[in-house]
Amino acid sequence: EAGVTQSPTHLIKTRGQQATLRCSPISGHTSVYWYQQALGLGLQFLLWYDEGEERNRGNFPPRFSGRQFPNYSSELNVNALELEDSALYLCASNVRREKANTGELFFGEGSRLTVL
Amino acid sequence: AQSVTQLDSQVPVFEEAPVELRCNYSSSVSVYLFWYVQYPNQGLQLLLKYLSGSTLVKGINGFEAEFNKSQTSFHLRKPSVHISDTAEYFCAVSEVGANNLFFGTGTRLTVIP
Repeated sequence: EAGVTQSPTHLIKTRGQQATLRCSPISGHTSVYWYQQALGLGLQFLLWYDEGEERNRGNFPPRFSGRQFPNYSSELNVNALELEDSALYLCASNVRREKANTGELFFGEGSRLTVL
Repeated sequence: AQSVTQLDSQVPVFEEAPVELRCNYSSSVSVYLFWYVQYPNQGLQLLLKYLSGSTLVKGINGFEAEFNKSQTSFHLRKPSVHISDTAEYFCAVSEVGANNLFFGTGTRLTVIP
């Protein structure tokens, strides 16, 4: 069974540009989570999507946005990039919340965004 | 509100020595508990989890953790570490019935040859 896949693996942008990161969850999972892992700051929760809707949002500015598609894959968009947006962006998925759910997340390998 | 505390940000330990990584949580309801490991330039991988039953949980790579409800702790242990155990370790907790996972700030384990 394929795990959570993320693309691209690496992305280099300049300040002011936009970045788009993509995530495909494990088959059967309908919830997708995005985390930012900047150097020395641990895991910061960004966004949670379930069944195509945004369910929760972390303490990030509106230029961080995303969406979830009907096949449950997801995009994270970061507009007006700033230097401090440089980080590893991790996507995770789990089963739909109506089912027995322990909260366990299954992570992808991440997309490393570098802003110059 | 939930919170997870990993008091040790960095733990250096010599190869073949034992190690304990500490994790404490706060919650007013029943919880599920997890330890994840992140090797350099990789995503997070589940080490072990406590859902119910025996409070001593065994995971991959020889790690184990013990759930202590009275002390609200879930410390991770390994009797003899290897160089390959060098990684970042994250403790996480979710409330039973909720679909949310809260992470600690992580502990960087460095195994010294």
